[in-house]
Amino acid sequence: GQNIDQPTEMTATEGAIVQINCTYQTSGFNGLFWYQQHAGEAPTFLSYNVLDGLEEKGRFSSFLSRSKGYSYLLLKELQMKDSASYLCAVTDSNYQLIWGAGTKLIIKP
Amino acid sequence: NAGVTQTPKFRVLKTGQSMTLLCAQDMNHEYMYWYRQDPGMGLRLIHYSVGEGTTAKGEVPDGYNVSRLKKQNFLLGLESAAPSQTSVYFCASSSSDRSYNEQFFGPGTRLTVL
Repeated sequence: GQNIDQPTEMTATEGAIVQINCTYQTSGFNGLFWYQQHAGEAPTFLSYNVLDGLEEKGRFSSFLSRSKGYSYLLLKELQMKDSASYLCAVTDSNYQLIWGAGTKLIIKP
Repeated sequence: NAGVTQTPKFRVLKTGQSMTLLCAQDMNHEYMYWYRQDPGMGLRLIHYSVGEGTTAKGEVPDGYNVSRLKKQNFLLGLESAAPSQTSVYFCASSSSDRSYNEQFFGPGTRLTVL
């Protein structure tokens, strides 16, 4: 079967750095997405990786290792508004998006 | 440019009642999707459409029907609602179904079935 694993919940301090991991086992791989979802709102796109390595976008970076079936999202200089769920999703061999259950990130002052 | 909109935002149904959720997008996207999101679970695909007049089943299609009569609209129907269909429903659209298939989401419909 297809499976995406993420930690259920993480806590971090305002101004700090946090890394959210995602491991996947899917039938084929055609790219990995990270989305942010604030409570009661829709998911919004954060990043996309299809090749190994690090993609940086402001305070957010996303890393991919296809051989290990592993990705992480790195959030720097955490702000209170970063409190949200972070969803990892993989495009499989049929170009379907397979979603993880999401990681709820709690930021404390 | 409204993006993806959904109506209604909230709805309470009794078991056995029917309803239709409407999704509209103004980005001229070919692909549209209906998901449900339940606590502790990832987004699960109900049905999707690869173009006007076409629909296909996703991971959890039972108890739902869809129609895509116009490119910009994608309707999700519940013919006889059950408590197990209590969930938050999201519609999404994308311009591609290939590897870079960033999906744009509507605000969601929170449905409770009593």
